[in-house]
Amino acid sequence: AQTVTQSQPEMSVQEAETVTLSCTYDTSESDYYLFWYKQPPSRQMILVIRQEAYKQQNATENRFSVNFQKAAKSFSLKISDSQLGDAAMYFCAYVGSQGNLIFGKGTKLSVKP
Amino acid sequence: DAMVIQNPRYQVTQFGKPVTLSCSQTLNHNVMYWYQQKSSQAPKLLFHYYDKDFNNEADTPDNFQSRRPNTSFCFLDIRSPGLGDAAMYLCATSRGNRGSTDTQYFGPGTRLTVL
Repeated sequence: AQTVTQSQPEMSVQEAETVTLSCTYDTSESDYYLFWYKQPPSRQMILVIRQEAYKQQNATENRFSVNFQKAAKSFSLKISDSQLGDAAMYFCAYVGSQGNLIFGKGTKLSVKP
Repeated sequence: DAMVIQNPRYQVTQFGKPVTLSCSQTLNHNVMYWYQQKSSQAPKLLFHYYDKDFNNEADTPDNFQSRRPNTSFCFLDIRSPGLGDAAMYLCATSRGNRGSTDTQYFGPGTRLTVL
């Protein structure tokens, strides 16, 4: 069975600084997708970034980028120039052949002004 | 804007009183999902529909049922809510086929309180 592990329950970053959130996963599949979702307090879960396993190039969306290490089964999220609005719960998620999203337990990110 | 809409955003019910949560989508996606998310936890998949084909997760209690009368709407029925069912209920949709790795798009959720 596939699993997703986020080893950092909470992280904190100073505004304008860079922070990296860790995620590892376990799977025997070769074709899958990985996601980072952001869930602000009492607000909607939104997609931050998506990575196809067959692509070697790391995905980037503005200030958000990933470091995808397929052999190590690692998928970390880097947030550059952190803003107050980045404060949220971040979930790493995996989807494979079953089509079901498998979430990690989440990392709560705080941004200090 | 195309989106996933959930109503109501907040629902209060009494212990044992049936409740129905609603989800609609303007994305014309084939797949609709219901998740339960308890405080400070990851969402847990309850079931999903691929078109009209219902797929129940093995550990979803019988107390939870779902209906999808058409492509746009999906309902979550909780027949006899218990205190442990208090949670945020998230609806999500995706475009693709069964087993697809398409992105899921989430609604804002309905927060259920059971008194």
